[in-house]
Amino acid sequence: GAGVSQSPSNKVTEKGKDVELRCDPISGHTALYWYRQSLGQGLEFLIYFQGNSAPDKSGLPSDRFSAERTGGSVSTLTIQRTQQEDSAVYLCASSLRADNSPLHFGNGTRLTVT
Amino acid sequence: AQKVTQAQTEISVVEKEDVTLDCVYETRDTTYYLFWYKQPPSGELVFLIRRNSFDEQNEISGRYSWNFQKSTSSFNFTITASQVVDSAVYFCALSRMNTGFQKLVFGTGTRLLVSP
Repeated sequence: GAGVSQSPSNKVTEKGKDVELRCDPISGHTALYWYRQSLGQGLEFLIYFQGNSAPDKSGLPSDRFSAERTGGSVSTLTIQRTQQEDSAVYLCASSLRADNSPLHFGNGTRLTVT
Repeated sequence: AQKVTQAQTEISVVEKEDVTLDCVYETRDTTYYLFWYKQPPSGELVFLIRRNSFDEQNEISGRYSWNFQKSTSSFNFTITASQVVDSAVYFCALSRMNTGFQKLVFGTGTRLLVSP
């Protein structure tokens, strides 16, 4: 079956522009996560969704970052007024249940802010 | 605070050699999960194993084995008879058990290069 799909795979944007990153989780997976992978910070948790609500958004670096999930499925991570330090690979993962199922990761979106 | 340390940045071996990837963790929790993930060049993180803090039994899966020792806070990963396809970055991770979801704290990863 299909895995976690992320789009775009690559995004280059100018500093100050807004970007939207999309994640299509595996069908039926109730839990969805966003992680970020950067050279400076490694792999770090951003936000967790259970259904359409986000019980833990403690990893979002600033208020320029927001995310939503609709229909218990697709999620969008939005970064406003991008900065060069936002350059990273943004990884989405989903799992069948929140606590007990392995995370299935997508291939990520590589964001470059120039 | 939780922390995972993978001191080996990069390891190079020749095919068929055995290799051990080290992972040391820090947590004040008494219950937690430990994980290993593989990240091949394609970029997708692939789940390998999850162990809970109650179970210190070592685990073997084919050429892969894991050694969990609470006394030394270590969860090491051994690949026996390595193959070129094992070349990847391997991440060790930790999460709390009582949150109800998987908020992973990752180590910095170990890049494994297996040459023919």
